[in-house]
Amino acid sequence: NAGVMQNPRHLVRRRGQEARLRCSPMKGHSHVYWYRQLPEEGLKFMVYLQKENIIDESGMPKERFSAEFPKEGPSILRIQQVVRGDSAAYFCASSPQGQEKLFFGSGTQLSVL
Amino acid sequence: GENVEQHPSTLSVQEGDSAVIKCTYSDSASNYFPWYKQELGKRPQLIIDIRSNVGEKKDQRIAVTLNKTAKHFSLHITETQPEDSAVYFCAVHSSNDYKLSFGAGTTVTVRA
Repeated sequence: NAGVMQNPRHLVRRRGQEARLRCSPMKGHSHVYWYRQLPEEGLKFMVYLQKENIIDESGMPKERFSAEFPKEGPSILRIQQVVRGDSAAYFCASSPQGQEKLFFGSGTQLSVL
Repeated sequence: GENVEQHPSTLSVQEGDSAVIKCTYSDSASNYFPWYKQELGKRPQLIIDIRSNVGEKKDQRIAVTLNKTAKHFSLHITETQPEDSAVYFCAVHSSNDYKLSFGAGTTVTVRA
């Protein structure tokens, strides 16, 4: 089991560009969570998805941010028109259906110039 | 979401001493309490967890205690070693919610 896979590990974007972060959950896991971590801060919940469904997006900004978890392929966190304040580490986590235990990926460090 | 407070924010201990980190929560429906360890530039890794029907759990040098009445739980690391240096996060899951809510983290430094 390869664990939760995130790519890219590092992503540099200029202000106004789009950022796409990908997450493949652990094999057998159908629940995906995205968290954001600012330097020296905790993990802030953004969105919770199951296959083809957004269950809870209460932590995600209403504008410029979107997430999906299609039937086939990885979960995608998309940030349009990035700004410097979007610079952070974005972690994806997955869990088996009905379990609270989360397994985290290695994260994507987004830097906006 | 759940309000989780974690203290202290930084903790420096001498190698071999114990370290204790405490978290409090607000939702009485909370039922699952994991602890994660994050080394610099790495992913958060689950080190121990406890459910609401258990008061204490131990795994070698680490233990977690839960006081449901007072709504707090603690991580105890005994005989600390330099490799214990990391940021530790507590988290809470409520039966009313889908997600884990995290504390702000404690940076533990073990002095050799």
